[in-house]
Order: sequence, then C-alpha cells, then structure tokens
Amino acid sequence: AQSVAQPEDQVNVAEGNPLTVKCTYSVSGNPYLFWYVQYPNRGLQFLLKYITGDNLVKGSYGFEAEFNKSQTSFHLKKPSALVSDSALYFCALYTGGGNKLTFGTGTQLKVEL
Amino acid sequence: SQTIHQWPATLVQPVGSPLSLECTVEGTSNPNLYWYRQAAGRGLQLLFYSVGIGQISSEVPQNLSASRPQDRQFILSSKKLLLSDSGFYLCAWSVGPTDTQYFGPGTRLTVL
Repeated sequence: AQSVAQPEDQVNVAEGNPLTVKCTYSVSGNPYLFWYVQYPNRGLQFLLKYITGDNLVKGSYGFEAEFNKSQTSFHLKKPSALVSDSALYFCALYTGGGNKLTFGTGTQLKVEL
Repeated sequence: SQTIHQWPATLVQPVGSPLSLECTVEGTSNPNLYWYRQAAGRGLQLLFYSVGIGQISSEVPQNLSASRPQDRQFILSSKKLLLSDSGFYLCAWSVGPTDTQYFGPGTRLTVL
C-alpha cells in the first residue's frame, strides 16, 4: 500500500537554529512528493515538490527538502528558523495513478525566541 | 494568475439542515477540482474530485455530494447535515492528475 508518514507530532526549534521536519513514504513506482504549510484557520500553501531530478529541492520561504530514495524519506529543512515559520506542515504523496493526494498526519512546528 | 475562492468562510448550521459550499477558480481552464475535509485541525481526507464538468468521483461514502455545473465551479452539498459533518472544508485545483494542488482558504462548518 502507498502511504506517507510524519513520525513527529510536534517539533520545537529555537529561532536561528536549523529545522528539520521528517517525512517517510512507501510507494510502488516513482514517488510524487509534496510539502505544504498551513497557518491557523487557513488553507494549505504549497512549499515545494519532488517529481524527478535533483535530490535537493528548493522551495518557498527558504525551505528545501532532500529526497532520499534508499531511506524512502523526504525531509523538509531550513537553515535558520524564524518565529513566523511556526505552523502545521504536511507531507503528501500522489497515489493511485494520480488525483489522490495522500497526506501525512501533519507536524506542528514551533519556533521560539 | 490563478486564484481560488471559497464561500462562505464560516457557517453554523443545525443538524438536519441542508448545506451548499461553493468553490470557484479563476485564471485557468478545465482544472481538476477537489474537496477535502480536515477534522480536528489535522488529517485531510479527500472527499470528491472532478476532472471535468459533470464528472465527479467520490472517495468516501457519506452524507455529502458534489457537483460541477460549470468548468471552474465546484459545489459541495448535503440534504441533511449530521453532527459528524463539522470540520474545515477545503477546495483545491490542479492542472492535471499529478500536478501541484493549490488550496482555497477553506470553510469552517459547525453543525449544532
């Protein structure tokens, strides 16, 4: 079965420190992987995606993600966290030949001063 | 550029009442359209998707239905709301079946 997992419910980081939000996946065939961010009572905002090509994907707001096929992971990273990065982050995977975007359970990121 | 609208932003409805949520997309033609529900501020569940006018695929059998009367309009409906229908409803669009999905601002539905 194709699935995506976010093993951490919450991640706490001090402002200025690097952050990592973890995502692992299981899929037969090539994965189409996405990261989204959600602020309270708002819709999801697209951050970045991996379809093919370079394993390091750069996205919006200084975020990047590293695709690792051997570890079946797609972790979201940022070199220096901001308090304004505090939000709910979702990893997602296209399954079933498309149209079905399966989301992880979300990771709450809290960046503190 | 493309934009996606949802209304209303918030809605409080009694149990047993009907529901109609609307989603429209501007700046693109023949988009794929999606309805999701997010419960308890976390997990997203795909409810319906549409690849064209009048074409609706249902992912979860439930108290809801969807329609696409126009190319860029997607409507979520119910004849009689249940308490369990409460949640945050999100509409999204994409160019194709594996392209990036872009989300609307959402509708917060509370059924009392």
